[in-house]
Amino acid sequence: DQQVKQNSPSLSVQEGRISILNCDYTNSMFDYFLWYKKYPAEGPTFLISISSIKDKNEDGRFTVFLNKSAKHLSLHIVPSQPGDSAVYFCAASVGGSGGGADGLTFGKGTHLIIQP
Amino acid sequence: NAGVMQNPRHLVRRRGQEARLRCSPMKGHSHVYWYRQLPEEGLKFMVYLQKENIIDESGMPKERFSAEFPKEGPSILRIQQVVRGDSAAYFCASSRQGTRNYGYTFGSGTRLTVV
Repeated sequence: DQQVKQNSPSLSVQEGRISILNCDYTNSMFDYFLWYKKYPAEGPTFLISISSIKDKNEDGRFTVFLNKSAKHLSLHIVPSQPGDSAVYFCAASVGGSGGGADGLTFGKGTHLIIQP
Repeated sequence: NAGVMQNPRHLVRRRGQEARLRCSPMKGHSHVYWYRQLPEEGLKFMVYLQKENIIDESGMPKERFSAEFPKEGPSILRIQQVVRGDSAAYFCASSRQGTRNYGYTFGSGTRLTVV
């Protein structure tokens, strides 16, 4: 049962344009969402996060939007740059007093390709 | 601070052998997490440890897999009697505490190949 879904395995965007990566989730208990970026042969790198009490968080070229009613979040990158080419993972976690509270549930990732 | 260090980067084992994967967290980090990434899949949570304690092992297979984080030394993920299905990338992450706000710091992973 895939609780975090990234339905686009890959996405190609022209340099300078906006990249929009989407993520859907099914577990209504998730209350914290994160995006990670991963280059080949490296570990994931934290990019940006958002708490369920917010609907938007912005950090430079990266903005994450959360639509709780639709159980949907998206990552916007603008303008897209060649160095943004990587696999992007959406992840979610459930708050609580322990027992896996800090374990993240990841999507399968979207491979973003920025074309010159 | 060299970040989260995992070794070896690549590990080849024959079916039935044991695999030991090591993870040294970032300096000052006392929380360690292990994740596994199968081909074409996302990362799957396996286990969450603090020094000398397993906090949550709900993602760990019940048999053949074990993890420890001793008072001194790195965290070890141990897989006994490996099978082909264990072939995957194993990532370790660490944090100062259960700090979700800033995400974890991941290591570069150990790629296990079972032949």
